[in-house]
Formats: sequence, structure tokens, C-alpha cells
Amino acid sequence: GESVGLHLPTLSVQEGDNSIINCAYSNSASDYFIWYKQESGKGPQFIIDIRSNMDKRQGQRVTVLLNKTVKHLSLQIAATQPGDSAVYFCAEGAGYSTLTFGKGTMLLVSP
Amino acid sequence: GAVVSQHPSWVICKSGTSVKIECRSLDFQATTMFWYRQFPKQSLMLMATSNEGSKATYEQGVEKDKFLINHASLTLSTLTVTSAHPEDSSFYICSARRSSGIGEQYFGPGTRLTVT
Repeated sequence: GESVGLHLPTLSVQEGDNSIINCAYSNSASDYFIWYKQESGKGPQFIIDIRSNMDKRQGQRVTVLLNKTVKHLSLQIAATQPGDSAVYFCAEGAGYSTLTFGKGTMLLVSP
Repeated sequence: GAVVSQHPSWVICKSGTSVKIECRSLDFQATTMFWYRQFPKQSLMLMATSNEGSKATYEQGVEKDKFLINHASLTLSTLTVTSAHPEDSSFYICSARRSSGIGEQYFGPGTRLTVT
């Protein structure tokens, strides 16, 4: 059955601010990481990925930072817009194994 | 590119009936597809991994006789929820992994199943 009383961590920002969403991963052998955005009632949408041999990768308005020493991943969104409001998941993978998803962070952007 | 579709997007069925959900990769070939279940405000829970032409691999605790998976081609996988019960009500999401690339998965839009 469904669990009740489970709340996602939430990050609330104002439109135009920069947002930073953090993720701790568990497997030191993971060699690639992906950030997904999931809007309510929809499937996750690929945002950006990074391989373990990199520590930074930039996309359009988004930057992913990887710190393998402390097994930490972050997603930075520049000039956050109301349309960025969603749940963001990090995922880690090794080789062709299945992805392991983090718990997710809800981003709320107020105008 | 990398579009994955699911059909239906939502379905309501009565207890005891079976429901089939289709997952298609529209513009790429996917040797492997995945089926996830998601409860409100929770992360995705992997149910099974589906490889084209072979039997699916189910995660621990997922009943293979209840959740039948067929991956008959490189672009289509189906999940059939047999003898559905209200506790099977959930959001079911499939994803497809390119036959090439680093292993990124592309997700379908999900199917909302409600069993009454």
C-alpha cells in the first residue's frame, strides 16, 4: 500500500534567484550520474548527466557539480523560473547496471 | 530524439480485472526497458528490468506472476497487472535505455492506474 506522512525535502526560491539542489550518492563505483526533473503527474525528464571523470558540466541554465571525495552531486539552476517548479531526482549508475535514484527534492519557485 | 510513450496515460479498472500498459521507444532502439512504480511524494521504485527477447528480471518483493512483462521488440515492452486490487493503484512509469550510449534512460509520461 501507499505510505503516508512522507515529505520530500523542499527548496523554496524566488523567481530569478539561483537554485542549488544537492544529492548524496552511495556507490563509490558509480561512473555516471544523471539529474531528472519530474513535474506533477508526468514521467521524469532528463536534464543533464556527468561522468565520474568530470567534476563539472554545464548545460542551458543548469550546472552539475560532482565531488567524488564526499560522494556529493549538486544541480545548480540559474535564474530560476516558475516553470522550473518540480521534483528533482539524482540518479547514479555503474556500467550498464540499473540506475539508483535518490529520494528527490521538490523545488518551489514563487513569482 | 529519445522519446518514450506510454499507453494508456490513465486507467480505471475494477478489482479482479487485468490491465495492460504499453511502453514504446519512438525514435530509438531500446534493448532494455525498465518498469517503475511511484507513490505520491516518493521516489521511483524499480519493479523489473525487461530485455528484448528474454525474460524480465524482477526486483525483490515484486510478484512476477502478478506483474507480467513482455519485451517482444526493440521498441515495445508491456506490463500487465493481473487480477488487480486497490493496493495496486499507483503511478507506473517505464523507461528505455538506448542500445548505445552511457546508459542514460529516457522515461515515458507514466500511467495512472486506479483500481476500484
